[in-house]
Amino acid sequence: QQQVKQSPQSLIVQKGGIPIINCAYENTAFDYFPWYQQFPGKGPALLIAIRPDVSEKKEGRFTISFNKSAKQFSLHIMDSQPGDSATYFCAASSSASKIIFGSGTRLSIRP
Amino acid sequence: DAGITQSPRYKITETGRQVTLMCHQTWSHSYMFWYRQDLGHGLRLIYYSAAADITDKGEVPDGYVVSRSKTENFPLTLESATRSQTSVYFCASRPGSNTGELFFGEGSRLTVL
Repeated sequence: QQQVKQSPQSLIVQKGGIPIINCAYENTAFDYFPWYQQFPGKGPALLIAIRPDVSEKKEGRFTISFNKSAKQFSLHIMDSQPGDSATYFCAASSSASKIIFGSGTRLSIRP
Repeated sequence: DAGITQSPRYKITETGRQVTLMCHQTWSHSYMFWYRQDLGHGLRLIYYSAAADITDKGEVPDGYVVSRSKTENFPLTLESATRSQTSVYFCASRPGSNTGELFFGEGSRLTVL
């Protein structure tokens, strides 16, 4: 049973555009929602994370929007750059459950 | 250097052979994890360990064996490799419980012929 659904599977955006990656979860006990960024040949690394007591979190050009009632959260990348080209994974967990990852989004930023 | 290291980085083996992927971390993190990454499936948890001598199954444990005799090491063994186990394997660690940052190794790409 896939508990975290991520879309789209791939995304191409022009430099300066705002790619948006969406995730939906099922388990209402989840209380920690991180995003991981992975470059080719490397392991994933934590990019930004949010807890459900806030609706938005910004770190630099990266923003998480969180909708608790809809059980959805999304990643927005402002002023996207070619160096942002990577695979992005959303994830969810709680103190009582292991972290569950989405299926990943391969993002390509065209110059 | 401190961190989490995996070996080998690349491995080609044949069906039926035993393969062991090594994972070593220098942070003394309590939790360690093994994931496999396949296109369209994201990262799927194979096994994890909360401390030395404590291991538990994840989402896809069949065909894999783990052990954790020391806090810093968490080897993953494929007792009889199958083609479906061709994948990229990632080891990860975390100091605390179920929330908080996971620190990943650089991965081990395994091909089973």
